[in-house]
Amino acid sequence: DAGVIQSPRHEVTEMGQEVTLRCKPISGHDYLFWYRQTMMRGLELLIYFNNNVPIDDSGMPEDRFSAKMPNASFSTLKIQPSEPRDSAVYFCASTYTGELFFGEGSRLTVL
Amino acid sequence: AQSVTQLDSQVPVFEEAPVELRCNYSSSVSVYLFWYVQYPNQGLQLLLKYLSGSTLVESINGFEAEFNKSQTSFHLRKPSVHISDTAEYFCAVSASSNTGKLIFGQGTTLQVKP
Repeated sequence: DAGVIQSPRHEVTEMGQEVTLRCKPISGHDYLFWYRQTMMRGLELLIYFNNNVPIDDSGMPEDRFSAKMPNASFSTLKIQPSEPRDSAVYFCASTYTGELFFGEGSRLTVL
Repeated sequence: AQSVTQLDSQVPVFEEAPVELRCNYSSSVSVYLFWYVQYPNQGLQLLLKYLSGSTLVESINGFEAEFNKSQTSFHLRKPSVHISDTAEYFCAVSASSNTGKLIFGQGTTLQVKP
């Protein structure tokens, strides 16, 4: 298996633009997580899904953030409109045993 | 709710020296504990985990951690580090053994010097 695949790896955008981050979990994994990593706040859990259903989105910072999982092999995290404080590395992770497998992350820079 | 505190943000150490990375947690329920490692520009990888049973758990590359319930700690140790161990290490806690919902500490950067 190729592991958790995220795209894009790097994104630079201007404030106010819409950003969409994508994730393909490992086949057969029934949990999918979105984390955000910054120097100031460390790793924060944003939202997680079980069998494509959002279970806990209490970590989503505000209404500008939304996440979807239309099927077992694809998830998106959308920020609209983006702000400079959204600059971070966003990680997707999946599991079926409790051991999280992380993607390589999407580094977002909002100017 | 659970929380994790990693007491050191950076730990510099010389090659072949022993190292300990400290982790304390708080939780009102039984917990499961994990250590993850992150190499530069990569995602996190599981290093070791405590779910139940023996309080001393080991990884394949020589790290070990001991669950101490009375001190609410899960410190990571290695008797002799290598340059290749240079990375960021994250302690994490979960109230569930199988959902993957983890709360991470702030991380400790291990810097191994020649």
